[in-house]
Amino acid sequence: TQLLEQSPQFLSIQEGENLTVYCNSSSVFSSLQWYRQEPGEGPVLLVTVVTGGEVKKLKRLTFQFGDARKDSSLHITAAQTGDTGLYLCAGVNTGNQFYFGTGTSLTVIP
Amino acid sequence: EPEVTQTPSHQVTQMGQEVILRCVPISNHLYFYWYRQILGQKVEFLVSFYNNEISEKSEIFDDQFSVERPDGSNFTLKIRSTKLEDSAMYFCATRRDLTIGEQFFGPGTRLTVL
Repeated sequence: TQLLEQSPQFLSIQEGENLTVYCNSSSVFSSLQWYRQEPGEGPVLLVTVVTGGEVKKLKRLTFQFGDARKDSSLHITAAQTGDTGLYLCAGVNTGNQFYFGTGTSLTVIP
Repeated sequence: EPEVTQTPSHQVTQMGQEVILRCVPISNHLYFYWYRQILGQKVEFLVSFYNNEISEKSEIFDDQFSVERPDGSNFTLKIRSTKLEDSAMYFCATRRDLTIGEQFFGPGTRLTVL
């Protein structure tokens, strides 16, 4: 089993603040995805990163894949209440199996 | 916009009973997945399915579980002789191809084993 640890597990911040969520593993992945999950719903894909060192920006969200393709980070600038949710990273191995991280529950306080 | 659908949304069953969870994939998708999420825990991969056979399965997916696509439309997960610890949200996901393709998740089935 390939483990993905996310930190922090819980995060509560004021609207307008910046935050970073980390996803770490000792395993190498062919790609890594970030999802957001609302209560009672399935995860929704935010981004896929493939190349070591890759940085992708999605409006106020910046995703980075580590050089060794073992870790990733999600940075949110000027958080909004609509960013509240559970953020999941998922590593994809060459065998088409997805390994989800432990999740980070973000609460943005108005 | 095409979406993955799952039925039922909530299933309550007695321990030892068999349940079948159903998923209707997006029509041109070729790869299908089942995941489990126990309340408060992470999403866990169960099985992937392609070309009418299992392509990968996790250690969770033991002989108690089976999957099939009986009619070319529904993709089902059968759990024989359910246990209390099978209580969880079960998500189906589908993917068009194995390039950097997005997995689309269904809304999930909440299984409660009493």
